[in-house]
Amino acid sequence: EVQLVESGGGLVKPGSSLKLSCVASGFTFSSYGMHWIRQAPKKGLEWIALIYYDSSNKYYADSVKGRFTISRDNSKNTLYLEMNSLRSEDTAMYYCAKYGGYGYWGQGVMVTVSS
Amino acid sequence: DVVMTQTPPSLSVAIGQSVSISCKSSQSLVYSDGKTYLHWLLQSSGRSPKRLIYQVSNLDSGVPDRFSGTGSQKDFTLKISRVEAKDLGVYYCAQTTHFPPTFGAGTKLELK
Repeated sequence: EVQLVESGGGLVKPGSSLKLSCVASGFTFSSYGMHWIRQAPKKGLEWIALIYYDSSNKYYADSVKGRFTISRDNSKNTLYLEMNSLRSEDTAMYYCAKYGGYGYWGQGVMVTVSS
Repeated sequence: DVVMTQTPPSLSVAIGQSVSISCKSSQSLVYSDGKTYLHWLLQSSGRSPKRLIYQVSNLDSGVPDRFSGTGSQKDFTLKISRVEAKDLGVYYCAQTTHFPPTFGAGTKLELK
């Protein structure tokens, strides 16, 4: 059974940094790209980043480009999202999802950016 | 970016009724391999999204056949027959044909 478990969220002040993790199990993690997708409170879904299975390519939404970095450690079956220069508008639930039509999602981790 | 327009934004339904949700894209969603990467997700209250249908009309494992997806090119529909209480929540269409992947704004299905 595919499982994706996010962690690392919390309450932070504007301008600070945070690093999210997503531990994968139930599939060959090193063979699949992975997404980060977020959802602001009471809002819809926003794709923010994609990393290829071998980290050879990384893509970002304009809203986070230059501030967020997606990475992975295939030896640990773990996906990361390093978030810098956080803004209030980054407040959201952050989900990791397995590449391939959004068939598998984690439970999400909440990030709140507020002074 | 491909804009996904979902209508209606909300639907009130009685248990046992049938409903349809429309999703229109600003560009054709047919990929160079001939497949159409349009998917339907359901987000129940307080939960992460769950995919119901992939590539327009293919039901995910465990999804009842009360759900069906149709459409082509830029115009897609999700139909739910004989709505049950567990079907309530927000439905999203999503396209992964073009980069970046994009979502519709959602259709909230609630009880009348």
